[in-house]
Amino acid sequence: GAVVSQHPSWVICKSGTSVKIECRSLDFQATTMFWYRQFPKQSLMLMATSNEGSKATYEQGVEKDKFLINHASLTLSTLTVTSAHPEDSSFYICSAGGDPRFLNEQFFGPGTRLTVL
Amino acid sequence: GESVGLHLPTLSVQEGDNSIINCAYSNSASDYFIWYKQESGKGPQFIIDIRSNMDKRQGQRVTVLLNKTVKHLSLQIAATQPGDSAVYFCAEDPSGTYKYIFGTGTRLKVLA
Repeated sequence: GAVVSQHPSWVICKSGTSVKIECRSLDFQATTMFWYRQFPKQSLMLMATSNEGSKATYEQGVEKDKFLINHASLTLSTLTVTSAHPEDSSFYICSAGGDPRFLNEQFFGPGTRLTVL
Repeated sequence: GESVGLHLPTLSVQEGDNSIINCAYSNSASDYFIWYKQESGKGPQFIIDIRSNMDKRQGQRVTVLLNKTVKHLSLQIAATQPGDSAVYFCAEDPSGTYKYIFGTGTRLKVLA
């Protein structure tokens, strides 16, 4: 299978600051990357779909101006949480897919734990 | 709306026994299903998948069964080990665009 990394693995920030999370596909080209949020003891909730070279598509209820997504290359997507607040504290997970060698399969990153004080 | 759900939030099994985790899905158009394992503080780990043209698929110690008639998916783990303790999610791809819908998850506890 393919490998997806996330950086940082955890971050603590003050309320009102912005935090950037990187998602990289290490050994394959990902035309599509997905960003999920997971609260404790809950399932993964899709936030947005990111396609290389185009604007991200956000799920209903997710503020696009608050969660900025950039997918500038086939191996990197970034999620920026702007003006973070304590309620944004969560586990953010990305996944990558679209490589024709791996039909339908998404590969998940290890997640980033965000804590907003 | 469409959803994927699980019958049991927590499943406790004795080490060495077989585990069965169930999942119900509601989108009859889904043609691809996946089981993931998630350990605490980590991302989901692919276990096994199955396409809608199959009703059974086997991996190493795991088997996925798909019953399209009743829209039911199950994951069977043979000879459950302590390392199998985790939360298990089923997911479906209703549109063929990699946009997965995840179920609510089942926590598997393996008792020594």
